Amino acid sequence: DSGVTQTPKHLITATGQRVTLRCSPRSGDLSVYWYQQSLDQGLQFLIQYYNGEERAKGNILERFSAQQFPDLHSELNLSSLELGDSALYFCASSGRGQGANSPLHFGNGTRLTVT
Amino acid sequence: EDQVTQSPEALRLQEGESSSLNCSYTVSGLRGLFWYRQDPGKGPEFLFTLYSAGEEKEKERLKATLTKKESFLHITAPKPEDSATYLCAVRHIEPGGSYIPTFGRGTSLIVHP
Repeated sequence: DSGVTQTPKHLITATGQRVTLRCSPRSGDLSVYWYQQSLDQGLQFLIQYYNGEERAKGNILERFSAQQFPDLHSELNLSSLELGDSALYFCASSGRGQGANSPLHFGNGTRLTVT
Repeated sequence: EDQVTQSPEALRLQEGESSSLNCSYTVSGLRGLFWYRQDPGKGPEFLFTLYSAGEEKEKERLKATLTKKESFLHITAPKPEDSATYLCAVRHIEPGGSYIPTFGRGTSLIVHP
């Protein structure tokens, strides 16, 4: 058990809808990362938050947004969903210091299916 | 151009047949190379971090090594429970100053009894 909790585990929704994915990081970790994993793209970095502030952005679509709350949990919001957004979405957290060399610890992901 | 390339994409071994997985990277300013194991439907599980050329780490049947341009994950006498996808990630300084791990596409390992 990595200590990172993601909910829900599965999500099935229709095109055009909006969903929210939730992540609770490991106790004490200040950094939260969101990754998307699809069969043809592998793990793609979306966005990082550190202690409530956005620190880095990857290939995140404008239809997607995220935030980190004062209790350090994070939410990833996906809107105007398209079939191509179907993927596994992972949250990871790491230890103190945004530039620290500590590894990322991943949750078990949310599997999103858009129909 | 991929910054992290893993080979082979897939590997089938017989139980007890040792082999190595490769991870080559083209980034400069390496701030850590990470190996993860991922089981189907699960999140990547952290295995090792390597920081400098010549460094080695071991855990049970796995041994990771690092050179200036690549890393190897050696699997000695594998068992069926070692079957998984093994992911490599490199952390380096991005233009904006962040340290975001970039992942390879992984090697899918199947060990037959």
